[in-house]
Amino acid sequence: KNQVEQSPQSLIILEGKNCTLQCNYTVSPFSNLRWYKQDTGRGPVSLTIMTFSENTKSNGRYTATLDADTKQSSLHITASQLSDSASYICVVSPYSGGGADGLTFGKGTHLIIQP
Amino acid sequence: NAGVTQTPKFRILKIGQSMTLQCAQDMNHNYMYWYRQDPGMGLKLIYYSVGAGITDKGEVPNGYNVSRSTTEDFPLRLELAAPSQTSVYFCASSYEQATSYEQYFGPGTRLTVT
Repeated sequence: KNQVEQSPQSLIILEGKNCTLQCNYTVSPFSNLRWYKQDTGRGPVSLTIMTFSENTKSNGRYTATLDADTKQSSLHITASQLSDSASYICVVSPYSGGGADGLTFGKGTHLIIQP
Repeated sequence: NAGVTQTPKFRILKIGQSMTLQCAQDMNHNYMYWYRQDPGMGLKLIYYSVGAGITDKGEVPNGYNVSRSTTEDFPLRLELAAPSQTSVYFCASSYEQATSYEQYFGPGTRLTVT
């Protein structure tokens, strides 16, 4: 069964500090991996999408890395801001070109940035 | 563009009541989806549609129905509401299949069934 495991479940850091969130998956065959940011009371918003051939992708202070061999991804947040407080969801797609129902969602990491 | 819109934002239902959650998108996307998000759990797919007039079940379709009469609208119907349907419901859309194209999510509807 396809699974996406995220760690930690929750994390509290001080404003200005860096942090790294982890995502391990068992989805196979693998097409792409996405990271979403979900603010409290809002829908998820895409941060990055990486295909199996990409190792790293950045979006401002967010940098995602992917190791398709070990089936691991991480999301690194640099110089955190209060607005980074949110849940971060890892989503894995098993294959491209077919199927609208193939995405597997992780449970998310709840990140709190303290002033 | 308003993107994906959902109404209502909040709703409380009594057991056995019915209601329709509305979803609309103005991006001319072919694919639309309904997910539910329970506390501490990943999003689960309820139903999806690949175009007007075509719908299909997702992972957790029981207790729900959908229709897609236009490209823009994809309402979700709850018949005979049960406490197990207490959740946050998200509608999403994508240009083509979500496995290859980015999904855009609405703001969600928080539903409580008591």
